[in-house]
Amino acid sequence: KAGVTQTPRYLIKTRGQQVTLSCSPISGHRSVSWYQQTPGQGLQFLFEYFSETQRNKGNFPGRFSGRQFSNSRSEMNVSTLELGDSALYLCASSLGQVNFQRNTQYFGPGTRLTVL
Amino acid sequence: GEDVEQSLFLSVREGDSSVINCTYTDSSSTYLYWYKQEPGAGLQLLTYIFSNMDMKQDQRLTVLLNKKDKHLSLRIADTQTGDSAIYFCASGGGYNKLIFGAGTRLAVHP
Repeated sequence: KAGVTQTPRYLIKTRGQQVTLSCSPISGHRSVSWYQQTPGQGLQFLFEYFSETQRNKGNFPGRFSGRQFSNSRSEMNVSTLELGDSALYLCASSLGQVNFQRNTQYFGPGTRLTVL
Repeated sequence: GEDVEQSLFLSVREGDSSVINCTYTDSSSTYLYWYKQEPGAGLQLLTYIFSNMDMKQDQRLTVLLNKKDKHLSLRIADTQTGDSAIYFCASGGGYNKLIFGAGTRLAVHP
């Protein structure tokens, strides 16, 4: 099976712009979670989507939003970019059931966003 | 709130065993994970352990869980230079929200 894919791999934007990142989960996986990784804050949970619905959300401002399509692909959008949004954005997919043995998250390679 | 703590750096000699430690606060964590991250890459799942287990062995990897002390460890036997990476401990409950530690940078030297 193909792994989790994320596009683009690298992005450079300027402050005030908006950006959309894409994540394609492993075939058959219905849950997609997004994480932000920075040197200062480490890995932080943004949100999780399951069957096109946001099921869980971390402590990020409303500028960070996401959505999931019927084929389980997910997009994450950041509006009005700030310098502090520079980070590696990782998405992870899983089957989505609450039973842990079927709920292991597999991560993509990430999108490196640089805000100038 | 929920928190996961790890030591930040570990240096070992090639061929020795490495032990990376982690403590977590969320007593409702039903499963705990170890991920590996190499430079410029995403997270690779190494292994996981269910909260009602004490130990899990997977080839060169041994995970020990002390649920009473909320302490988790990852032992890598016969550590190789290819094991040099950052190792993350993560706790998880329902709905796929993983809480990660800051990561332990493992350096393996000849």
